[in-house]
Amino acid sequence: GAVVSQHPSRVICKSGTSVKIECRSLDFQATTMFWYRQFPKKSLMLMATSNEGSKATYEQGVEKDKFLINHASLTLSTLTVTSAHPEDSSFYICSARDRGGLTGELFFGEGSRLTVL
Amino acid sequence: AQSVTQLDSHVSVSEGTPVLLRCNYSSSYSPSLFWYVQHPNKGLQLLLKYTSAATLVKGINGFEAEFKKSETSFHLTKPSAHMSDAAEYFCVVSDRGGYNKLIFGAGTRLAVHP
Repeated sequence: GAVVSQHPSRVICKSGTSVKIECRSLDFQATTMFWYRQFPKKSLMLMATSNEGSKATYEQGVEKDKFLINHASLTLSTLTVTSAHPEDSSFYICSARDRGGLTGELFFGEGSRLTVL
Repeated sequence: AQSVTQLDSHVSVSEGTPVLLRCNYSSSYSPSLFWYVQHPNKGLQLLLKYTSAATLVKGINGFEAEFKKSETSFHLTKPSAHMSDAAEYFCVVSDRGGYNKLIFGAGTRLAVHP
Protein backbone atom coordinates (compact mmCIF):
# COMPACT_ATOMS: atom_id res chain seq x y z
CA GLY A 1 0.00 0.00 0.00
CA ALA A 2 0.85 3.65 -0.16
CA VAL A 3 3.28 5.04 2.39
CA VAL A 4 2.94 8.19 4.46
CA SER A 5 5.97 9.29 6.42
CA GLN A 6 6.02 11.60 9.41
CA HIS A 7 9.06 13.29 10.82
CA PRO A 8 10.12 13.53 13.55
CA SER A 9 8.59 10.52 15.25
CA ARG A 10 9.45 11.97 18.64
CA VAL A 11 10.32 15.49 19.67
CA ILE A 12 10.92 17.10 23.03
CA CYS A 13 11.01 20.87 23.26
CA LYS A 14 10.99 23.63 25.83
CA SER A 15 7.90 25.63 26.56
CA GLY A 16 7.64 28.68 24.31
CA THR A 17 9.47 27.21 21.33
CA SER A 18 7.94 26.19 18.02
CA VAL A 19 8.01 22.71 16.56
CA LYS A 20 7.47 21.65 12.97
CA ILE A 21 6.17 18.20 12.02
CA GLU A 22 6.36 17.00 8.43
CA CYS A 23 4.00 14.64 6.67
CA ARG A 24 5.08 13.22 3.32
CA SER A 25 3.37 10.94 0.86
CA LEU A 26 6.25 8.87 -0.44
CA ASP A 27 4.84 7.12 -3.48
CA PHE A 28 1.71 9.05 -4.39
CA GLN A 29 0.38 12.56 -4.74
CA ALA A 30 -1.98 13.86 -2.11
CA THR A 31 -4.12 16.90 -2.77
CA THR A 32 -5.65 16.52 0.66
CA MET A 33 -4.01 15.68 3.94
CA PHE A 34 -5.58 15.55 7.37
CA TRP A 35 -4.02 16.30 10.75
CA TYR A 36 -5.23 14.54 13.87
CA ARG A 37 -4.39 14.82 17.52
CA GLN A 38 -4.62 11.89 19.87
CA PHE A 39 -4.62 12.23 23.65
CA PRO A 40 -3.43 9.30 25.77
CA LYS A 41 -5.80 6.35 25.56
CA LYS A 42 -8.22 8.42 23.53
CA SER A 43 -9.50 8.50 20.01
CA LEU A 44 -8.25 10.67 17.17
CA MET A 45 -9.52 14.21 16.96
CA LEU A 46 -9.46 15.85 13.54
CA MET A 47 -7.67 19.18 13.78
CA ALA A 48 -7.64 20.39 10.21
CA THR A 49 -7.80 19.51 6.56
CA SER A 50 -4.84 20.56 4.51
CA ASN A 51 -5.38 21.30 0.83
CA GLU A 52 -2.47 21.66 -1.56
CA GLY A 53 -2.00 25.26 -2.60
CA SER A 54 -4.69 26.72 -0.39
CA LYS A 55 -5.41 27.50 3.22
CA ALA A 56 -6.16 24.73 5.63
CA THR A 57 -9.66 24.20 6.95
CA TYR A 58 -9.66 23.99 10.74
CA GLU A 59 -12.14 22.17 12.92
CA GLN A 60 -14.10 24.08 15.50
CA GLY A 61 -12.08 24.83 18.59
CA VAL A 62 -8.67 24.42 16.95
CA GLU A 63 -6.57 27.59 17.04
CA LYS A 64 -5.32 28.51 13.59
CA ASP A 65 -2.53 30.69 14.91
CA LYS A 66 -1.40 27.99 17.28
CA PHE A 67 -1.32 25.14 14.80
CA LEU A 68 0.01 26.42 11.49
CA ILE A 69 -0.53 24.12 8.55
CA ASN A 70 1.17 24.45 5.20
CA HIS A 71 0.60 22.20 2.20
CA ALA A 72 3.08 23.56 -0.31
CA SER A 73 3.30 20.55 -2.60
CA LEU A 74 1.40 17.42 -3.53
CA THR A 75 3.62 15.31 -1.32
CA LEU A 76 4.27 17.45 1.75
CA SER A 77 2.21 19.03 4.49
CA THR A 78 3.65 20.55 7.64
CA LEU A 79 2.16 21.24 11.04
CA THR A 80 3.90 23.85 13.16
CA VAL A 81 2.99 24.08 16.83
CA THR A 82 3.83 27.66 17.71
CA SER A 83 4.86 28.77 21.18
CA ALA A 84 4.32 25.28 22.49
CA HIS A 85 3.12 24.68 26.04
CA PRO A 86 2.90 21.49 28.09
CA GLU A 87 -0.80 21.13 27.24
CA ASP A 88 0.20 20.80 23.58
CA SER A 89 1.98 17.56 24.40
CA SER A 90 0.24 14.88 22.40
CA PHE A 91 0.48 12.35 19.60
CA TYR A 92 -0.05 14.00 16.22
CA ILE A 93 -0.99 11.86 13.22
CA CYS A 94 -1.39 12.85 9.61
CA SER A 95 -3.21 11.06 6.84
CA ALA A 96 -3.27 11.53 3.10
CA ARG A 97 -5.57 10.55 0.29
CA ASP A 98 -4.10 9.24 -2.93
CA ARG A 99 -5.02 11.75 -5.62
CA GLY A 100 -4.95 9.04 -8.25
CA GLY A 101 -6.53 6.33 -6.16
CA LEU A 102 -9.86 4.77 -7.00
CA THR A 103 -11.13 4.06 -3.52
CA GLY A 104 -10.39 7.30 -1.74
CA GLU A 105 -8.62 5.37 0.98
CA LEU A 106 -6.68 7.39 3.50
CA PHE A 107 -3.19 6.35 4.44
CA PHE A 108 -1.85 7.24 7.86
CA GLY A 109 1.57 8.24 9.02
CA GLU A 110 3.23 6.60 12.01
CA GLY A 111 2.57 9.62 14.18
CA SER A 112 4.74 12.17 15.97
CA ARG A 113 4.89 12.31 19.73
CA LEU A 114 5.42 15.84 21.02
CA THR A 115 6.49 16.43 24.60
CA VAL A 116 6.69 20.01 25.79
CA LEU A 117 8.65 20.54 28.98
CA ALA B 1 -24.53 14.27 10.98
CA GLN B 2 -22.32 11.23 11.28
CA SER B 3 -21.33 9.52 14.49
CA VAL B 4 -19.85 6.26 15.65
CA THR B 5 -20.31 4.43 18.95
CA GLN B 6 -17.99 1.66 19.99
CA LEU B 7 -19.88 -0.19 22.67
CA ASP B 8 -16.91 -1.59 24.59
CA SER B 9 -13.86 0.37 25.66
CA HIS B 10 -12.00 -2.82 26.62
CA VAL B 11 -12.35 -6.40 25.43
CA SER B 12 -10.30 -9.27 26.81
CA VAL B 13 -10.12 -12.70 25.19
CA SER B 14 -7.98 -15.80 25.42
CA GLU B 15 -5.72 -16.74 22.56
CA GLY B 16 -7.54 -18.98 20.11
CA THR B 17 -11.02 -17.79 21.06
CA PRO B 18 -13.30 -15.60 18.92
CA VAL B 19 -13.12 -11.82 18.91
CA LEU B 20 -16.13 -9.50 18.70
CA LEU B 21 -15.71 -5.73 18.72
CA ARG B 22 -18.98 -3.87 18.48
CA CYS B 23 -19.72 -0.70 16.54
CA ASN B 24 -22.91 1.22 15.83
CA TYR B 25 -23.12 4.19 13.53
CA SER B 26 -25.41 7.06 12.70
CA SER B 27 -25.39 8.60 9.26
CA SER B 28 -27.53 10.86 7.11
CA TYR B 29 -25.99 9.39 3.98
CA SER B 30 -25.15 5.94 2.76
CA PRO B 31 -22.06 5.53 4.89
CA SER B 32 -18.60 4.30 4.20
CA LEU B 33 -17.38 2.40 7.24
CA PHE B 34 -13.90 1.35 8.23
CA TRP B 35 -12.05 -0.50 10.94
CA TYR B 36 -8.50 0.62 11.75
CA VAL B 37 -6.01 -0.94 14.15
CA GLN B 38 -3.38 0.96 16.10
CA HIS B 39 -0.49 -0.67 17.89
CA PRO B 40 1.20 1.28 20.73
CA ASN B 41 2.86 4.51 19.57
CA LYS B 42 2.15 3.68 15.97
CA GLY B 43 0.00 5.05 13.21
CA LEU B 44 -3.18 3.45 11.99
CA GLN B 45 -3.54 0.50 9.68
CA LEU B 46 -6.68 -0.18 7.70
CA LEU B 47 -8.19 -3.58 8.52
CA LEU B 48 -11.17 -3.43 6.22
CA LYS B 49 -13.77 -1.11 4.74
CA TYR B 50 -17.38 -1.13 3.59
CA THR B 51 -18.33 1.10 0.68
CA SER B 52 -21.81 -0.08 -0.39
CA ALA B 53 -20.72 -3.30 -2.04
CA ALA B 54 -20.95 -6.69 -0.28
CA THR B 55 -22.27 -6.40 3.26
CA LEU B 56 -19.83 -8.98 4.60
CA VAL B 57 -16.38 -7.52 4.30
CA LYS B 58 -13.20 -9.50 4.71
CA GLY B 59 -10.05 -7.75 5.79
CA ILE B 60 -6.48 -8.47 6.66
CA ASN B 61 -5.24 -10.82 9.37
CA GLY B 62 -8.43 -12.89 9.38
CA PHE B 63 -10.75 -10.08 10.44
CA GLU B 64 -14.15 -9.49 8.93
CA ALA B 65 -17.13 -7.23 9.54
CA GLU B 66 -20.76 -7.28 8.54
CA PHE B 67 -22.70 -4.16 7.61
CA LYS B 68 -26.26 -4.41 8.94
CA LYS B 69 -28.30 -1.42 7.89
CA SER B 70 -31.37 -2.46 9.90
CA GLU B 71 -29.28 -2.51 13.06
CA THR B 72 -26.95 0.35 12.03
CA SER B 73 -24.07 -1.87 13.07
CA PHE B 74 -20.67 -2.79 11.71
CA HIS B 75 -19.21 -5.25 14.21
CA LEU B 76 -15.69 -6.60 13.77
CA THR B 77 -15.05 -10.30 14.26
CA LYS B 78 -12.24 -12.82 14.07
CA PRO B 79 -12.69 -16.57 14.62
CA SER B 80 -9.50 -17.11 16.58
CA ALA B 81 -7.51 -14.44 18.41
CA HIS B 82 -3.75 -14.27 18.23
CA MET B 83 -1.46 -12.59 20.70
CA SER B 84 -0.40 -10.13 18.01
CA ASP B 85 -4.00 -8.91 17.72
CA ALA B 86 -3.67 -7.04 21.01
CA ALA B 87 -4.07 -3.37 20.03
CA GLU B 88 -6.51 -0.48 19.87
CA TYR B 89 -9.27 -0.77 17.28
CA PHE B 90 -11.21 2.14 15.83
CA CYS B 91 -14.50 2.03 14.00
CA VAL B 92 -14.74 4.93 11.57
CA VAL B 93 -17.43 6.48 9.38
CA SER B 94 -16.74 8.72 6.43
CA ASP B 95 -18.49 12.02 6.07
CA ARG B 96 -19.63 12.22 2.49
CA GLY B 97 -21.26 15.58 2.86
CA GLY B 98 -18.06 17.55 2.78
CA TYR B 99 -14.52 16.57 2.10
CA ASN B 100 -14.83 13.00 3.26
CA LYS B 101 -13.28 13.53 6.65
CA LEU B 102 -13.22 10.49 8.88
CA ILE B 103 -15.14 10.41 12.14
CA PHE B 104 -13.59 8.09 14.69
CA GLY B 105 -15.19 6.06 17.41
CA ALA B 106 -13.68 6.19 20.88
CA GLY B 107 -11.76 2.97 20.32
CA THR B 108 -11.75 -0.48 21.83
CA ARG B 109 -8.65 -1.87 23.44
CA LEU B 110 -8.30 -5.58 22.77
CA ALA B 111 -6.26 -7.65 25.19
CA VAL B 112 -5.34 -11.24 24.30
CA HIS B 113 -4.29 -13.60 27.08
CA PRO B 114 -2.29 -16.80 26.67
